[in-house]
Amino acid sequence: TQLLEQSPQFLSIQEGENLTVYCNSSSVFSSLQWYRQEPGEGPVLLVTVVTGGEVKKLKRLTFQFGDARKDSSLHITAAQPGDTGLYLCAGAWRGSTLGRLYFGRGTQLTVWP
Amino acid sequence: DTGVSQNPRHKITKRGQNVTFRCDPISEHNRLYWYRQTLGQGPEFLTYFQNEAQLEKSRLLSDRFSAERPKGSFSTLEIQRTEQGDSAMYLCASSLAGWGLANQPQHFGDGTRLSIL
Repeated sequence: TQLLEQSPQFLSIQEGENLTVYCNSSSVFSSLQWYRQEPGEGPVLLVTVVTGGEVKKLKRLTFQFGDARKDSSLHITAAQPGDTGLYLCAGAWRGSTLGRLYFGRGTQLTVWP
Repeated sequence: DTGVSQNPRHKITKRGQNVTFRCDPISEHNRLYWYRQTLGQGPEFLTYFQNEAQLEKSRLLSDRFSAERPKGSFSTLEIQRTEQGDSAMYLCASSLAGWGLANQPQHFGDGTRLSIL
């Protein structure tokens, strides 16, 4: 069983559209990180959220951490083909003291020109 | 570039052979993690070092797997008697230790893609 459930698993949209990716759990996390991964490469860190209710913006990407620190969302405004990739959420579980990350299965985003 | 470096990038071997991968973390990072990623899945934790001490191992890490970090710098992951189920991307990550353990971001290398024939 996955500690973190991501949805949707696949997303295919046209350039200029907006989208939201969700990351949900029944567990509380000390922090949650979002990564983007290209084929054949390692995940690249986009953002870390730590405080319940926190909102962080990175250009056209907006990340939110749920008030209870059990869920997070990633919203992309006016998607571009360069946003194509696998988006992964990863949580440092509050019950773990060693900082290991628990990953969701990822959302594969394809943005068509 | 001073990011996490992994070698080799690709490894193809026959079932039953032993393989070893190397990870060089970001130089000032004292924590090093190994993860495994199969197609369609997110990375799964294998093991973790703080300096040279191996502090946690996942149950995914069978007795055919061994990891070392002898001088607290680079790390190696060895798989003995490889099986087809070992085919995966093996990722290494590093981070700083500090107060608020879980809040230090982990930075990943580009992985070693292992294919077992």
